[in-house]
Amino acid sequence: GAVVSQHPSWVICKSGTSVKIECRSLDFQATTMFWYRQFPKQSLMLMATSNEGSKATYEQGVEKDKFLINHASLTLSTLTVTSAHPEDSSFYICSARDPTGLVFYEQYFGPGTRLTVT
Amino acid sequence: RKEVEQDPGPFNVPEGATVAFNCTYSNSASQSFFWYRQDCRKEPKLLMSVYSSGNEDGRFTAQLNRASQYISLLIRDSKLSDSATYLCVVNIGERTGGFKTIFGAGTRLFVKA
Repeated sequence: GAVVSQHPSWVICKSGTSVKIECRSLDFQATTMFWYRQFPKQSLMLMATSNEGSKATYEQGVEKDKFLINHASLTLSTLTVTSAHPEDSSFYICSARDPTGLVFYEQYFGPGTRLTVT
Repeated sequence: RKEVEQDPGPFNVPEGATVAFNCTYSNSASQSFFWYRQDCRKEPKLLMSVYSSGNEDGRFTAQLNRASQYISLLIRDSKLSDSATYLCVVNIGERTGGFKTIFGAGTRLFVKA
């Protein structure tokens, strides 16, 4: 299957600082990528849909000024958590669809980034 | 009511057992269905797609019942390595022509020796 990478895999930062997470599709071009957040023992929650060359679409309740998404190329989307607070500590996962894949709706997930804000 | 509901479990079964999970969805506009597997602190990985005609892959069988709006996953001859959280995933069509993906909260499975 298609490969999606994420960097960093884990990060610890101080409250008030910003953290950037990268999501890359390694062997296919992804016009659309998705950013999820998962708290312990809870389901994945879609935060936003990242569209190459245009603004991201945020889910209800997700602050777009706090979670900045940039999808500058067909293989890279970034999520920046601005002015992070301890309640932002979570597992952030990106995914992408391979438009040429056999299973059109299949999402390939990155390995996730574990963010801890102290 | 949640759009996708699963029994959180955990299901504790011995090796070799057969175990079945169900998942219900509320939106009749749901278009496609999947089971994903997620290991602890890892990303979800696609296990299999789910079709009305049924889909079998080795020890795993998935079934979709559109009339009753539920999806099932059957695991036969459970292995220790099957221990994971199984996520029911539904794509729901939207008026814009796209669709959104809804994840169930997952069902935890523990297979014991």
